Amino acid sequence: GEDVEQSLFLSVREGDSSVINCTYTDSSSTYLYWYKQEPGAGLQLLTYIFSNMDMKQDQRLTVLLNKKDKHLSLRIADTQTGDSAIYFCAESNRESSASKIIFGSGTRLSIRP
Amino acid sequence: DGGITQSPKYLFRKEGQNVTLSCEQNLNHDAMYWYRQDPGQGLRLIYYSQIVNDFQKGDIAEGYSVSREKKESFPLTVTSAQKNPTAFYLCASSIGVAQPQHFGDGTRLSIL
Repeated sequence: GEDVEQSLFLSVREGDSSVINCTYTDSSSTYLYWYKQEPGAGLQLLTYIFSNMDMKQDQRLTVLLNKKDKHLSLRIADTQTGDSAIYFCAESNRESSASKIIFGSGTRLSIRP
Repeated sequence: DGGITQSPKYLFRKEGQNVTLSCEQNLNHDAMYWYRQDPGQGLRLIYYSQIVNDFQKGDIAEGYSVSREKKESFPLTVTSAQKNPTAFYLCASSIGVAQPQHFGDGTRLSIL
């Protein structure tokens, strides 16, 4: 079945860029998402990209999609302490009869001073 | 402001008891979802509903039940048949099938 994988942890110095990577298996993915979860809270939709796009930029966030390698990345420029959270990569397939999003296990981003 | 409201934020269940988690949305979304999140893990889909009066089982539906009598509401009942109910429960909604989902703030369920 479909799968989404991401590394569990990332530590970055404050002010540097963070790059969180994700791989997925569904070659028919329609949307690819990045969600942010702060402690004790729900998931916040940060950004998403259509599978026919290569890149999407939104302020400090840049999403890159390599469809050939089924690789998605999220770059956070000028990382701040408020960016500490768990980041989930996810994908959905509009052609699938099941209306579900497949989530990765999340990457915990910690910020060092 | 539009959004998804889950209540209560914390819930405790006694052995053999059913409990119901509330989820209300005012986004006018057709689809609603329930997920379970265990510590250090991703989300697993319990049930979802694409329209009123219709719902489907997700990956881990055993021990849970839902109803969708109104577009705005999608309550989840954790029954006594669910032997390991301690988890963080998240409700979400989307405009339609496989569209971006928006989440509530979650309900943390614990066993007394």
